[in-house]
Amino acid sequence: EPEVTQTPSHQVTQMGQEVILRCVPISNHLYFYWYRQILGQKVEFLVSFYNNEISEKSEIFDDQFSVERPDGSNFTLKIRSTKLEDSAMYFCASSDTGRGEKLFFGSGTQLSVL
Amino acid sequence: AQSVTQLGSHVSVSEGALVLLRCNYSSSVPPYLFWYVQYPNQGLQLLLKYTTGATLVKGINGFEAEFKKSETSFHLTKPSAHMSDAAEYFCAVGGTSYGKLTFGQGTILTVHP
Repeated sequence: EPEVTQTPSHQVTQMGQEVILRCVPISNHLYFYWYRQILGQKVEFLVSFYNNEISEKSEIFDDQFSVERPDGSNFTLKIRSTKLEDSAMYFCASSDTGRGEKLFFGSGTQLSVL
Repeated sequence: AQSVTQLGSHVSVSEGALVLLRCNYSSSVPPYLFWYVQYPNQGLQLLLKYTTGATLVKGINGFEAEFKKSETSFHLTKPSAHMSDAAEYFCAVGGTSYGKLTFGQGTILTVHP
């Protein structure tokens, strides 16, 4: 079965540093997403991306965050200047339809900001 | 706007007993409803979903859920719990443009012998 791949599985960084989380969505999918889950809390939507632009973003997704599809296969989430509160599990997801009924999630990147 | 409420952050059952995890939602559009399972240190795995059609949906591992529009509920059940069902379960609602899902707080299911 096709799967969404995320790298790295764990990332440790110092506060104020930039991080890039990487995802390889399923190859024929057109809709891409980032979610995050702070330890002990619910999974939260960050951003959706379609046709090379952001289609929707949450209040969490402020100017410190950006997403990019630099080539035909990767989808990245950049955090410019990490804060302690950015520590979370970040999930990438992709779908071939626009209403989310076939959303596939990656196994996540655990980001720890020290 | 959409929201999900899962009643009970922790549910404990005996092996072989009925599993019932409760989920209520609100949605301004016809909802798509999902249950995901998360095992420790793993990602989110889709258990089952309702989009349209039959309101009783069956998923993997013997789970099923029924969409009840009048009650705005989508409770997850399994007739007989197995030790391997121990995990965290998330209910989610979608159906808006571009596929955003809104998740509930999660319910940790513990199965004891």
